[in-house]
Amino acid sequence: NAGVTQTPKFRVLKTGQSMTLLCAQDMNHEYMYWYRQDPGMGLRLIHYSVGEGTTAKGEVPDGYNVSRLKKQNFLLGLESAAPSQTSVYFCASSPTGYEQYFGPGTRLTVT
Amino acid sequence: DQQVKQNSPSLSVQEGRISILNCDYTNSMFDYFLWYKKYPAEGPTFLISISSIKDKNEDGRFTVFLNKSAKHLSLHIVPSQPGDSAVYFCAASLYSGAGSYQLTFGKGTKLSVIP
Repeated sequence: NAGVTQTPKFRVLKTGQSMTLLCAQDMNHEYMYWYRQDPGMGLRLIHYSVGEGTTAKGEVPDGYNVSRLKKQNFLLGLESAAPSQTSVYFCASSPTGYEQYFGPGTRLTVT
Repeated sequence: DQQVKQNSPSLSVQEGRISILNCDYTNSMFDYFLWYKKYPAEGPTFLISISSIKDKNEDGRFTVFLNKSAKHLSLHIVPSQPGDSAVYFCAASLYSGAGSYQLTFGKGTKLSVIP
């Protein structure tokens, strides 16, 4: 049981490039989330999903898109990366919407 | 405007003593509160939670207290151990309708337990 996994662990992008972050969970959870964490800040919700085929905006959705085509996967896309998107990205899943189980994070640097 | 505040960025405690981490919130509609622990280069891990209809929840060395009138919660760790050294995040849940829950996190408190 791997829990929540994130791919890749590290990435460096140039401004304007695009990329997709993959989150996978093997706990059959309905709810999945993408957060970003910046230095000295708490986690801020980017987008979330309450089930396969659904997505919704969180607190800081601009510049990101998401898709949840399969229940176990939640993808976060950056269409045109900007330096302001340099951050650590965490994916989480939850059976109830309350207790969330987090992946190890993806450290993204945009130059 | 921060809805969940952890006003102490850091806290140092001697091993064996009590650690008390505090959290204040502003939104009276929050219905569930959680504490997460985070080690460097890892994702946060769930520690303990409390429903808004309760005032105390205990799990081993960890106890969370909720004072709704003061919009304040605290996490007590007794006794503190060196392995408890981590960043602790307070989080509050809000039901947004249509099966949707959102967590709002504080900025975290770095706990250092000194052997």
